[in-house]
Amino acid sequence: QKEVEQDPGPLSVPEGAIVSLNCTYSNSAFQYFMWYRQYSRKGPELLMYTYSSGNKEDGRFTAQVDKSSKYISLFIRDSQPSDSATYLCAMSGSNQGGKLIFGQGTELSVKP
Amino acid sequence: DAGVTQSPTHLIKTRGQQVTLRCSPKSGHDTVSWYQQALGQGPQFIFQYYEEEERQRGNFPDRFSGHQFPNYSSELNVNALLLGDSALYLCASSLGAGPGYTFGSGTRLTVV
Repeated sequence: QKEVEQDPGPLSVPEGAIVSLNCTYSNSAFQYFMWYRQYSRKGPELLMYTYSSGNKEDGRFTAQVDKSSKYISLFIRDSQPSDSATYLCAMSGSNQGGKLIFGQGTELSVKP
Repeated sequence: DAGVTQSPTHLIKTRGQQVTLRCSPKSGHDTVSWYQQALGQGPQFIFQYYEEEERQRGNFPDRFSGHQFPNYSSELNVNALLLGDSALYLCASSLGAGPGYTFGSGTRLTVV
């Protein structure tokens, strides 16, 4: 079993839809939770960063962390064609020395 | 302010050859990490360099080695290339152990 599981999709939604992306994990020592967006032929770009449990909102993006369920989510409101990309969840803990553990990535396509 | 710069962008090598990839970190960052991203997968941690020392290493064979220079730039060397080494190699920089990393656009390595 992988430390971080993420549904690879692909996920296709119409423009304006609410998108929900999710990851589960097995290592209870994870404390830092991140979402990266990766466009084709580019490196990952940090979207959201959360420490421990709770919600964090930034514009159209909301990140949720539920440590009791070992489950994290990213919600995208009013999705746009420019949101079409692969979304990667990543995690780390104080015992990881800064090493990030990534999910497989979910490919998202937002259709006009 | 330049972000993380990687060179070359693309590379084709033959099995058994050796390759060197280069990374210049974002200005102000002192730590460099390398990741391997196979097609359709999330990035996998190779190793991390800080103060010219390898601080942490992932589950990669000794054929993968690296170096960090006094100006914080870094090299990734891979010896005795295998077909399975074909991937996107990402460099990420941070101030200290992160976990807020900035990724470069990567080097696409193809081994034939």
